[in-house]
Amino acid sequence: DAGVTQSPTHLIKTRGQQVTLRCSPKSGHDTVSWYQQALGQGPQFIFQYYEEEERQRGNFPDRFSGHQFPNYSSELNVNALLLGDSALYLCASSSSAGGYEQYFGPGTRLTVT
Amino acid sequence: QKEVEQNSGPLSVPEGAIASLNCTYSDRVSQSFFWYRQYSGKSPELIMSIYSNGDKEDGRFTAQLNKASQYVSLLIRDSQPSDSATYLCAVSSGNTGKLIFGQGTTLQVKP
Repeated sequence: DAGVTQSPTHLIKTRGQQVTLRCSPKSGHDTVSWYQQALGQGPQFIFQYYEEEERQRGNFPDRFSGHQFPNYSSELNVNALLLGDSALYLCASSSSAGGYEQYFGPGTRLTVT
Repeated sequence: QKEVEQNSGPLSVPEGAIASLNCTYSDRVSQSFFWYRQYSGKSPELIMSIYSNGDKEDGRFTAQLNKASQYVSLLIRDSQPSDSATYLCAVSSGNTGKLIFGQGTTLQVKP
């Protein structure tokens, strides 16, 4: 049973560039949430996708956008990168069928220089 | 006031002891509560979920929830050096599943 997968593992970008991060949910899961985790902090909720639509959004600017595909996989896009966007980006999947447990992927470490 | 608060630690316990990790939350309508373990450089791993007042046990782990006091705790019995990690408390309200995390408590188990 494959768990949540994310790609790439690490990424280095320059200020002002754009980045796309990818996530495949755990088998049987249909909901994907994205979180940003700065060093020494707990994860911060960015948004959640269900049925290919953004269902809820955290306190992040419009530079952060996402998409969910019919196979439930998801992308996180960040435009006009800032130094402060350097963080671990985590994808979590869950099932709408029952329970609210979310399972995290290994994350993508983004460094903006 | 932060929505979910944890003592950042570090909490140091000797091997074999009971480690007690605490978390308070501010939103009274919170319904779901989770504990995640995060090793350095890794992603959070779900270890316990609790939805009702009282205790929930799973192996060496016991989660305790007191909604009246807005308090969640995690007990780790017979602590092992491999339990050394950061423990994140997460809270969810409503049915959308958005998790609000505390900053985590670092646990050190010394042999």
